[in-house]
Amino acid sequence: DIQMTQSPSSLSASVGDRVSITCRASQAIGNDLGWYQQKPGKAPKRLIYAASSLQSGVPSRFSGSGSGTEFTLTISRLQPEDFATYYCLQHNTYPWTFGQGSKVEIK
Amino acid sequence: QVQLQESGPGLVKPSETLSLICTVSGGSISDYYWTWIRQPPGKGLEWIGYIYYSGSTNYSPSLKSRVTILLDKSKNQFSLKLSSVTAADSAVYYCARATLWFGELLPMDVWGQGTTVTVSS
Repeated sequence: DIQMTQSPSSLSASVGDRVSITCRASQAIGNDLGWYQQKPGKAPKRLIYAASSLQSGVPSRFSGSGSGTEFTLTISRLQPEDFATYYCLQHNTYPWTFGQGSKVEIK
Repeated sequence: QVQLQESGPGLVKPSETLSLICTVSGGSISDYYWTWIRQPPGKGLEWIGYIYYSGSTNYSPSLKSRVTILLDKSKNQFSLKLSSVTAADSAVYYCARATLWFGELLPMDVWGQGTTVTVSS
């Protein structure tokens, strides 16, 4: 299985901050990566697909980059509603595998 | 606007079979891949597998010996069966849709709200 390692596992940030989360794959996956946001008690919501394509309806402060083995999710100006846990997901090779999650908390 | 809703027992005894149904409303079940994902309490997400409209399936190897995903086109539903469950199978189970995008399969753009299943005697 391809291992997806996210960093950091958690971070504290303030409203208005720029935040970046990294996802590293144990082998190259091209751009077959998505980013999801999950709030407590809710289903995940897709933010980014194909590594850098913004899901329709998702604010433009979210962006994704990377290819191969290293990927980044960036939130340009953190908003109160962005405090959540973020997961990457690779779909290059079966089984599809998620990162362990990165929790963004209020400082 | 397509919506997905999971249903099924919230409590299953050890060694028995977990059975869940996902009902698709507001859209067709055709031409999509219908997926199950689970999340143990306080933990991360695990992909279980999917079924395509044609009936072809793909399962996670770690669960393959115990998992069956079926499609009922007449009811716009798909289902999950997980046999010989243990406490480790206790989780929130989500159904979700995966789509084809320029010939490439993209995971999970629409999700159900999730249903909690506890394995306990």
